[in-house]
Amino acid sequence: NAGVTQTPKFRVLKTGQSMTLLCAQDMNHEYMYWYRQDPGMGLRLIHYSVGEGTTAKGEVPDGYNVSRLKKQNFLLGLESAAPSQTSVYFCASTQSGSITYEQYFGPGTRLTVT
Amino acid sequence: AQKITQTQPGMFVQEKEAVTLDCTYDTSDQSYGLFWYKQPSSGEMIFLIYQGSYDEQNATEGRYSLNFQKARKSANLVISASQLGDSAMYFCAMREKRGGSEKLVFGKGTKLTVNP
Repeated sequence: NAGVTQTPKFRVLKTGQSMTLLCAQDMNHEYMYWYRQDPGMGLRLIHYSVGEGTTAKGEVPDGYNVSRLKKQNFLLGLESAAPSQTSVYFCASTQSGSITYEQYFGPGTRLTVT
Repeated sequence: AQKITQTQPGMFVQEKEAVTLDCTYDTSDQSYGLFWYKQPSSGEMIFLIYQGSYDEQNATEGRYSLNFQKARKSANLVISASQLGDSAMYFCAMREKRGGSEKLVFGKGTKLTVNP
């Protein structure tokens, strides 16, 4: 099983450029999440989705947009990248109604903004 | 205020010894869950163990056990018989229900180094 996959794995952007990170899961999970991980900060929630067509803001949403047009995909967009968005981005998913709501993580995308 | 506090930025342990990684949490919810994830140098997040707030017994998974003290709001991870491959970052996280979704709040992590 592929589980949660993320595209791309690495990317370098110049300030002001835009890009979209793709997250795909094949577990038919309802809930999906985007996190960023910075040194010494743990993981912080950017945006999340509780189902197809829905999105909501997390702890650090500024500068990002998301879309969930299909249940299996969750896209994270940066419209005008800034050096402060240099980070490792993780996507995760979980099934609504599960006992533990364990989140399954993708391998991460390392983004550098110069 | 931090919801998840991991007070040990780094820990060292000798191979084959046991180690405890500390985690305290803050919540007013009655129903919540606590997780530990491992992040090796390769970067992936690996689920280790889960404890529900209503679980009366401490969770165990192989060499991992969670020392859950509800009144003290602590959920420490105990790794027995440490192995070199246990060297990694360890994150404690709490599941809480907000905005119609179950979300995880992470601590800042503890870097564990296992010495031969």
